[in-house]
Amino acid sequence: GAGVSQSPSNKVTEKGKDVELRCDPISGHTALYWYRQRLGQGLEFLIYFQGNSAPDKSGLPSDRFSAERTGESVSTLTIQRTQQEDSAVYLCASSSQTGNTIYFGEGSWLTVV
Amino acid sequence: RKEVEQDPGPFNVPEGATVAFNCTYSNSASQSFFWYRQDCRKEPKLLMSVYSSGNEDGRFTAQLNRASQYISLLIRDSKLSDSATYLCGGGSSASKIIFGSGTRLSIRP
Repeated sequence: GAGVSQSPSNKVTEKGKDVELRCDPISGHTALYWYRQRLGQGLEFLIYFQGNSAPDKSGLPSDRFSAERTGESVSTLTIQRTQQEDSAVYLCASSSQTGNTIYFGEGSWLTVV
Repeated sequence: RKEVEQDPGPFNVPEGATVAFNCTYSNSASQSFFWYRQDCRKEPKLLMSVYSSGNEDGRFTAQLNRASQYISLLIRDSKLSDSATYLCGGGSSASKIIFGSGTRLSIRP
């Protein structure tokens, strides 16, 4: 079936604006992750959803960041009042269950100007 | 201390060389370990899962040392196409997968 799908693939926004990034996981995958990767840097864990359990939000860098997931399907990452340091690629990944191999989407490249 | 740490490199080795990367993890509860490969401006893709007994896939060998809490990746007879960033990740059945910052590998002709 289809892989992890993310949209938009590229987004340029003005400082102070809100952005929403969307992730469609692989069908049937119960675990969903968001990571941030700044240019030339590693993967920074943001948030993780597993089924109907409370999400692990321990990686969200500030209260400007939030994420939701509807059941075991689509997830939305929202960044409010964007700052230039938010510029990065935001990668979504899913797995059939926690601890299993995770599969990444192509990412949403965010540029804040 | 970061939960997963890697030598960032870069490693610059000639074609045909053998190169090894290590990755240490601090969470002793971690049970699942992976090596991912990431090409420039692309998403990470699974290279190998890492099993307790060690595993091999062609030129690539992964090892897990639970006592010392590290995993390793060995690449033999390196090819130009092996040039990439290699990310190690670990987690447990009850928690998320955390990645290291990646090790950059450059193979020269």
